Amino acid sequence: ETGVTQSPTHLIKTRGQQVTLRCSSQSGHNTVSWYQQALGQGPQFIFQYYREEENGRGNFPPRFSGLQFPNYSSELNVNALELDDSALYLCASSPDDGQGAYEQYFGPGTRLTVT
Amino acid sequence: AQSVTQLDSHVSVSEGTPVLLRCNYSSSYSPSLFWYVQHPNKGLQLLLKYTSAATLVKGINGFEAEFKKSETSFHLTKPSAHMSDAAEYFCVVSDRFGGAGNMLTFGGGTRLMVKP
Repeated sequence: ETGVTQSPTHLIKTRGQQVTLRCSSQSGHNTVSWYQQALGQGPQFIFQYYREEENGRGNFPPRFSGLQFPNYSSELNVNALELDDSALYLCASSPDDGQGAYEQYFGPGTRLTVT
Repeated sequence: AQSVTQLDSHVSVSEGTPVLLRCNYSSSYSPSLFWYVQHPNKGLQLLLKYTSAATLVKGINGFEAEFKKSETSFHLTKPSAHMSDAAEYFCVVSDRFGGAGNMLTFGGGTRLMVKP
């Protein structure tokens, strides 16, 4: 069974640029969530995708957007990058148990540095 | 919204001694609670979960946690620390939202250091 994978591992961008991060969910999982983890802090929920639709969002501006594809893989897009966007971006997948999925399984993350 | 508070930002123990990482939660209903571990430059690994079944939950690598509703606590313990346990530990609560979704709300983390 393949776990959650993310690409790229590291990325350096300039303020004002746009970035796309990618995630492949664990086999059999149809729900994908994205989290931002700033240095020294716990992860913060960005949004969640279920069956290709965004079904929940945290306190992040609209310049953070996403997609989920029919194979349940996902992208996180960030426009107009700011220095504070520098963080570890974590993708997590979970199965649909019909009751609302609970535990989530995390990928290794993408380290984004904005200069 | 539900929340969790990790009472210690750093805990230092000697190898072979017990580990106690403390977590209190705030919830208006019976919560789903988790402990995750994050090793340096690695993703998050699920240690254990509580979802209203048995109040004493056993996880991987010898860790366990006890859900105490009267104290709103979910402390993580291990009888004997190993050097490989040194990592950041997160207490997490699951918040439901519309449809089939849930978001995880993380505590601030506890860094566990294990001395030889």
